[in-house]
Amino acid sequence: DTEVTQTPKHLVMGMTNKKSLKCEQHMGHRAMYWYKQKAKKPPELMFVYSYEKLSINESVPSRFSPECPNSSLLNLHLHALQPEDSALYLCASSQNPSGRGDEQFFGPGTRLTVL
Amino acid sequence: GDSVTQMEGPVTLSEEAFLTINCTYTATGYPSLFWYVQYPGEGLQLLLKATKADDKGSNKGFEATYRKETTSFHLEKGSVQVSDSAVYFCALPGGAQKLVFGQGTRLTINP
Repeated sequence: DTEVTQTPKHLVMGMTNKKSLKCEQHMGHRAMYWYKQKAKKPPELMFVYSYEKLSINESVPSRFSPECPNSSLLNLHLHALQPEDSALYLCASSQNPSGRGDEQFFGPGTRLTVL
Repeated sequence: GDSVTQMEGPVTLSEEAFLTINCTYTATGYPSLFWYVQYPGEGLQLLLKATKADDKGSNKGFEATYRKETTSFHLEKGSVQVSDSAVYFCALPGGAQKLVFGQGTRLTINP
């Protein structure tokens, strides 16, 4: 299994809702990532987990809360989002958290719309 | 800091045309270099990579050569197809666990 899966594919939520995005990989990778991608822009890094521990938070607002329950799963909990948070949310993984040359494997993304 | 400058586009070509998308980088040392492709409505896929100077990465008819003299990693394909229409991102590791992306080049191939 060489893929990263994400659910749901699409999500529409109101500003008062609480929802979660899920990501899963079974490649034995020990680093997992959340990115946000706006239209016609490259992905922007949000969070990095290394060996199930949060290692990088790119000054993301607290309305986004990541969680890594185990080495295969990564969640992003959403609460009180704003319309400008509407974007494609991408999950990625890589084999070795300290491997500077490792490529990252991306999931298909969750298209989030905040009303 | 490390950075990637990429030909912005959009680029529109006819089927079977020759493709070049320019990418130059600024980095400490000699990092690995990557090309990612994003098809409409999808996530990013690694297209090819090179890990050291003079390496040539290749996949699906695409090629890119790691040129340290010119700090470049241009993407080329000899004969493009409609199915190659996508956004292409050049990238390098910008530090532990981070990827630095270029701005992306949108490619449209007309039949």
